[in-house]
Amino acid sequence: EPEVTQTPSHQVTQMGQEVILRCVPISNHLYFYWYRQILGQKVEFLVSFYNNEISEKSEIFDDQFSVERPDGSNFTLKIRSTKLEDSAMYFCASSAKIVVPPDTGELFFGEGSRLTVL
Amino acid sequence: AQKITQTQPGMFVQEKEAVTLDCTYDTSDQSYGLFWYKQPSSGEMIFLIYQGSYDEQNATEGRYSLNFQKARKSANLVISASQLGDSAMYFCAISTPTDDKLIFGTGTRLQVFP
Repeated sequence: EPEVTQTPSHQVTQMGQEVILRCVPISNHLYFYWYRQILGQKVEFLVSFYNNEISEKSEIFDDQFSVERPDGSNFTLKIRSTKLEDSAMYFCASSAKIVVPPDTGELFFGEGSRLTVL
Repeated sequence: AQKITQTQPGMFVQEKEAVTLDCTYDTSDQSYGLFWYKQPSSGEMIFLIYQGSYDEQNATEGRYSLNFQKARKSANLVISASQLGDSAMYFCAISTPTDDKLIFGTGTRLQVFP
């Protein structure tokens, strides 16, 4: 069964360092997302990406964050200068169709990348 | 803005019993989709079931069913014949035409005991 893969599964970094989280979405999918989950809290939307550009971003997704799809398969989330509060699980997700009813596509999640900022 | 409310932070159920996890939603859109995801302790998000706002029948997927009450704006997940492996966090989520993304609730931690 096709799946979304994320690397690394866990990254520990010093505050102020740059971090890149990588995702390989399911190959025929067109819509890509990053979500964040601070330990013990709910899953929060960060950004959606379609047709090589950001469709929407949340308030969390400030200038320290960026996304790109450099080679048609990888989908990366970069945090330019990490802060302690960036410590969280970061989920990549992809969908073949827009997750908007009535033509709703299932959103497939990766297993997450746990980021710990010291 | 869309909102999901899950009022049960934790639930306990005995193995083989059925359990209902509550979810209420708020949206001004007439068209929307409701999702349930399971998150075991390993952390991944597993899609369980989907209900569209125009679907007349309640969605079912194996032991999972969705008790959709549109007038009450509720989309409760029913797990029949609970198994120990059902112990996990369960998240309800909504998508609408104005929000090309899923908005999640705070989740319910389900513990199944023998």
